[in-house]
Amino acid sequence: GAVVSQHPSRVICKSGTSVKIECRSLDFQATTMFWYRQFPKQSLMLMATSNEGSKATYEQGVEKDKFLINHASLTLSTLTVTSAHPEDSSFYICSATIQSTDTQYFGPGTRLTVL
Amino acid sequence: AQSVTQLGSHVSVSEGALVLLRCNYSSSVPPYLFWYVQYPNQGLQLLLKYTSAATLVKGINGFEAEFKKSETSFHLTKPSAHMSDAAEYFCAVILPNTGFQKLVFGTGTRLLVSP
Repeated sequence: GAVVSQHPSRVICKSGTSVKIECRSLDFQATTMFWYRQFPKQSLMLMATSNEGSKATYEQGVEKDKFLINHASLTLSTLTVTSAHPEDSSFYICSATIQSTDTQYFGPGTRLTVL
Repeated sequence: AQSVTQLGSHVSVSEGALVLLRCNYSSSVPPYLFWYVQYPNQGLQLLLKYTSAATLVKGINGFEAEFKKSETSFHLTKPSAHMSDAAEYFCAVILPNTGFQKLVFGTGTRLLVSP
């Protein structure tokens, strides 16, 4: 149980375009979803926390107009990287929690490459 | 502020040898502590967690960790390494009073297992 999927697993796009990444909880309702960014050989950095039906809470230094997060249902959150640039290339990982629990279940990640 | 320190970016062991990955936290309040494993180009998988119950926690794949408040440590061990254990390991903390939010990761330790 507690499976989280992400789509796509890899995406390559041109500079200036927007890319949408989906995060789905497959067998549970996720009241809270998290988006992380991981640079090569580095740890995960929390970008934002999203609760179903409300606006996401962004970490300091993360541009909310560039990284649009939508958590429209209890099983789906999306991250849209708007006007992507090469420096946005990274591994993006989402996670989800079940209400009132402390464990985050992670998706397999999406590798974004901006040319 | 809470933080977690993982000593050693790389640990090399021989197959069959003891695995010891170190993790220390800095918090005046005992946090919830987690160990996650990440295989190349994949998301994170929970190995085990400590949430103020038994100080010796057993996880999946033969791993275990012991919470030592006096040493502010939560080191991960496995009696006998297997080739399949080669991966990146992350220690992480959550403070209970943050509503189970904001998982803060250490910098990670890459475990290398040689035949």
